[in-house]
Amino acid sequence: QSALTQPPSASGSPGQSVTISCTGTSSDVGSYNYVSWYQHHPGKAPKLMIYEVNKRPSGVPDRFSGSKSGNTASLTVSGLQPEDEADYYCSSYADSPLYVFGTGTKVTVL
Amino acid sequence: QVQLQESGPGLVKPSETLSLTCAVSGYSISSGYYWDWIRQPPGKGLEWIGNIDHSGGTSYNPSLKSRVTMSVDTSKNQFSLRLSSVTAADTAVYYCARHGSFTMVPPRSFDYWGQGSLVTVSS
Repeated sequence: QSALTQPPSASGSPGQSVTISCTGTSSDVGSYNYVSWYQHHPGKAPKLMIYEVNKRPSGVPDRFSGSKSGNTASLTVSGLQPEDEADYYCSSYADSPLYVFGTGTKVTVL
Repeated sequence: QVQLQESGPGLVKPSETLSLTCAVSGYSISSGYYWDWIRQPPGKGLEWIGNIDHSGGTSYNPSLKSRVTMSVDTSKNQFSLRLSSVTAADTAVYYCARHGSFTMVPPRSFDYWGQGSLVTVSS
């Protein structure tokens, strides 16, 4: 099994936007619209930010948006705020194993 | 508010069995959903270990399947993980989480997580 590929880091100033990519294969991201994104502040429980590619759970700001094209999904955080600084992981339903995660991206708010 | 809390030894010797339990509050395991274990080795990404449903049905990551056993205790509203023959490569923060089937909301995504339990494999 291979993890989904994410850039190790991304950054932006407050108010700017940052986009994180998540590249998989035709066995996961490319075949299923079950891509989700998680925000993780170290020492805390990961938090679901996006599910089914582009849907937000209740309580997640609309500054967070998701999309997918082919084997690559993306998370965009618009209007960056200091509290957005965290690690972000994508995940996809897959043929095998059932769930694969991304390598993780550390977002820094400059 | 659904809450999950992992518990278990923080240190396990090589070749022994790692055992963790996840206590669930705010939701009855018997009501549905799948209950997962996910781990994160130091400095690395997340890895899905497997899941169990309220009736004891399981799905495991093929890379760990030969060493993994999951169980559920609906009377205590908790589920457990056992990983046998551990090595240093099994050192990780272990998370328990919940996910819904494709008919649920949110489908096939992990909507509640525990804070994680660090397990170190060392003699």
